Amino acid sequence: AQTVTQSQPEMSVQEAETVTLSCTYDTSESDYYLFWYKQPPSRQMILVIRQEAYKQQNATENRFSVNFQKAAKSFSLKISDSQLGDAAMYFCAYRRSNFGNEKLTFGTGTRLTIIP
Amino acid sequence: DAGVIQSPRHEVTEMGQEVTLRCKPISGHDYLFWYRQTMMRGLELLIYFNNNVPIDDSGMPEDRFSAKMPNASFSTLKIQPSEPRDSAVYFCASRPGTGGTIYFGEGSWLTVV
Repeated sequence: AQTVTQSQPEMSVQEAETVTLSCTYDTSESDYYLFWYKQPPSRQMILVIRQEAYKQQNATENRFSVNFQKAAKSFSLKISDSQLGDAAMYFCAYRRSNFGNEKLTFGTGTRLTIIP
Repeated sequence: DAGVIQSPRHEVTEMGQEVTLRCKPISGHDYLFWYRQTMMRGLELLIYFNNNVPIDDSGMPEDRFSAKMPNASFSTLKIQPSEPRDSAVYFCASRPGTGGTIYFGEGSWLTVV
């Protein structure tokens, strides 16, 4: 079974600084998707960034980028120039890409605090 | 474009009452999912539909839970009778037929007292 591990329950960063959130996963599949979702206090799950396993290039979305290490099964999220609005729970998630496997497996989350 | 729309956003109900949660997926999306989030168990997939057909309901906790999708633009998750341990945030999500990204609604926060 696939598992997703987020080993940092809480992280904090000074506003405008850079922070990296860790995620590792376990799978025997070669093709899959990885995601980072943000959950602010409003509880809505917001997609931050996604990575297809077959792509070697790391995904980036503005201030958010990932470091995808397929062999190491590692998928970390880097937030640059942290802003107060980045404060939230961040969930790493995995999904197999073949038909019929629709389950998103989530990690336990990392609570990110931004220090003004 | 409108995202996934859920109602109600918050509901407080008494134990034993019937609860119905509603969802409108993003137009054109072929897949619809119901997830539940609790402190103890995190995010769990309850059931998902493909083209309005339930495909996998193995995550539905027990017979008190049922879900329907009568058409491509509407789904319900019903709990009857409700119990305090059903208190959670229930998310509806959808995705297109191609592409891996699942988009979530804002969630329905259910409290059963």
